[in-house]
Amino acid sequence: AIQMTQSPSSLSASVGDRVTITCRASQGIRNDLGWYQQKPGKAPKLLIYAASSLQSGVPSRFSGSGSGTDFTLTISSLQPEDFATYYCLQDYNYSYTFGQGTKLEIK
Amino acid sequence: EVQLVQSGAEVKKPGESLKISCKGSGYSFTSYWIGWVRQMPGKGLEWMGIIYPGDSDTRYSPSFQGQVTISADKSISTAYLQWSSLKASDTAMYYCARHMTTVTTLPDYWGQGTLVTVSS
Repeated sequence: AIQMTQSPSSLSASVGDRVTITCRASQGIRNDLGWYQQKPGKAPKLLIYAASSLQSGVPSRFSGSGSGTDFTLTISSLQPEDFATYYCLQDYNYSYTFGQGTKLEIK
Repeated sequence: EVQLVQSGAEVKKPGESLKISCKGSGYSFTSYWIGWVRQMPGKGLEWMGIIYPGDSDTRYSPSFQGQVTISADKSISTAYLQWSSLKASDTAMYYCARHMTTVTTLPDYWGQGTLVTVSS
């Protein structure tokens, strides 16, 4: 099974900061990766699919990059509503694995 | 509008059986995979498995194979997740989600979640 290693597990940042979260796959997964945001008590929300495509309705301050084994989610200028937990999810060949999550907290 | 509506919270005892549901609307239910995701209290997301309601093709994560059963009734646009003998460690929030079919197979629309509590 494909393993996803996400880092960091937690991150403190301020409004307006640029932040980066990474995921590494245990084997090549082309660009079969997405990023989700989850707020407490809510279902996850898709932000990025196919590694770098912005889901409809998601603000452009969110961006994704990478292919193969290394992937990055960047938030260019943090807004108060962005403080949440973020997960990567790989969907290579109808197998799916989440990263461990990154909790983004207010500094 | 695409919607996935899950059944309500459940409180069960160890050893009991349970079947929770996820009803889809606003799209062609038989044309999209439906997946299930577990979130244990205070923990991360775990992908459990998916079903294609059109032909009931089902795939499980190795971690959940044999532990749960995923099924669907396309006549009522509903997918199910069931246990034959619950354990305390099954206590979690369970989400269903519709998987996309073009460009990616990631889940896009999610249900509101069903909280399952297993306690003696």
